[in-house]
Amino acid sequence: DGGITQSPKYLFRKEGQNVTLSCEQNLNHDAMYWYRQDPGQGLRLIYYSQIVNDFQKGDIAEGYSVSREKKESFPLTVTSAQKNPTAFYLCATTGGDVHEQYFGPGTRLTVT
Amino acid sequence: GQNIDQPTEMTATEGAIVQINCTYQTSGFNGLFWYQQHAGEAPTFLSYNVLDGLEEKGRFSSFLSRSKGYSYLLLKELQMKDSASYLCAVLDSNYQLIWGAGTKLIIKP
Repeated sequence: DGGITQSPKYLFRKEGQNVTLSCEQNLNHDAMYWYRQDPGQGLRLIYYSQIVNDFQKGDIAEGYSVSREKKESFPLTVTSAQKNPTAFYLCATTGGDVHEQYFGPGTRLTVT
Repeated sequence: GQNIDQPTEMTATEGAIVQINCTYQTSGFNGLFWYQQHAGEAPTFLSYNVLDGLEEKGRFSSFLSRSKGYSYLLLKELQMKDSASYLCAVLDSNYQLIWGAGTKLIIKP
């Protein structure tokens, strides 16, 4: 069964701690993306990767870091430098006939 | 700058028809997507338009006018399960997706 998995679904952290969100895909897609979604807002691009061992900053990369050591995996680290980390985080890949994006189920991060 | 506008919220009645509009101003255009997002879940792909005109897919249709920077999503025979947010997204000249804030659709019995 092909798809994208993100874990965990809910994550709670104290302020000042780094936290890593997992994203794994078995769709054999090259491109992977991380988005952040806040209530009442659209998706904002944090980082993306078109190929293994390469990634690019999106619109709101400050306070985040990523790695792409394997095609299947694109973990996102939310560092303590991110001023307002509480949000819904979505991982996506691009594929299909019109290069639509497929999304994982998301991780809701709460930092207190 | 790049901008996509959609109404924040719309209400419609079960069984009726609703049209959700999207206007965009982007640096280049390589296609427009509509996604459906139920509360607390990830967006799912509904439709794609790159040429002017209407694309029909079951109860859902999507229209594009590139000269007007305008698209709409038409939902027919509304069902309660259609209550969700509908996101409009444009692929710009760099093949990056620019997302609208979404339209929350409330269906009443």
